[in-house]
Amino acid sequence: GQQVMQIPQYQHVQEGEDFTTYCNSSTTLSNIQWYKQRPGGHPVFLIQLVKSGEVKKQKRLTFQFGEAKKNSSLHITATQTTDVGTYFCAGEASGTYKYIFGTGTRLKVLA
Amino acid sequence: ETGVTQTPRHLVMGMTNKKSLKCEQHLGHNAMYWYKQSAKKPLELMFVYNFKEQTENNSVPSRFSPECPNSSHLFLHLHTLQPEDSALYLCASSRMNTEAFFGQGTRLTVV
Repeated sequence: GQQVMQIPQYQHVQEGEDFTTYCNSSTTLSNIQWYKQRPGGHPVFLIQLVKSGEVKKQKRLTFQFGEAKKNSSLHITATQTTDVGTYFCAGEASGTYKYIFGTGTRLKVLA
Repeated sequence: ETGVTQTPRHLVMGMTNKKSLKCEQHLGHNAMYWYKQSAKKPLELMFVYNFKEQTENNSVPSRFSPECPNSSHLFLHLHTLQPEDSALYLCASSRMNTEAFFGQGTRLTVV
């Protein structure tokens, strides 16, 4: 079945450093979403990418969808303590409602 | 507040008990989902309902029984659970191919 892997599993950075998490799917995706889950919280939607090679920015966050639509990345510039949490990608393999979540990357930011 | 409400927030049940988790949304979404989140594991999709019809059952044991009486309500009936079923159970809703809104989750402990 479809699998979505993320690396790294954990990342500790000093405040102000950059951070990147990578998402890889075993199958071609029709679109990909990114979510953030704060400790003790629930996943909150960040963004959706649909087009091959698409790049979207939200302030310090840059999201990219690979040309083959099988991978994606999230890059945070100059991390802040408020960026702490687990970042998940979620891929949809076809025109269904089925989104498979990645394994997640847990980010800790040291002040 | 995401517009998706889950009750109860916490539940402790014995292995012989029967309990139900409830999820409610009034966002006008037609798809509703149950996810299981265990420690150190990715979000696992359990069930998907589209317009009250179950479209996905991800090989979930029969001790978990979903019910979707209408597009706004989703239940997860639990019976004869095992300790390894202890986890955070998250409900989500969405329109087709758009962001999912998650509830706060039910923290389930099976003793």
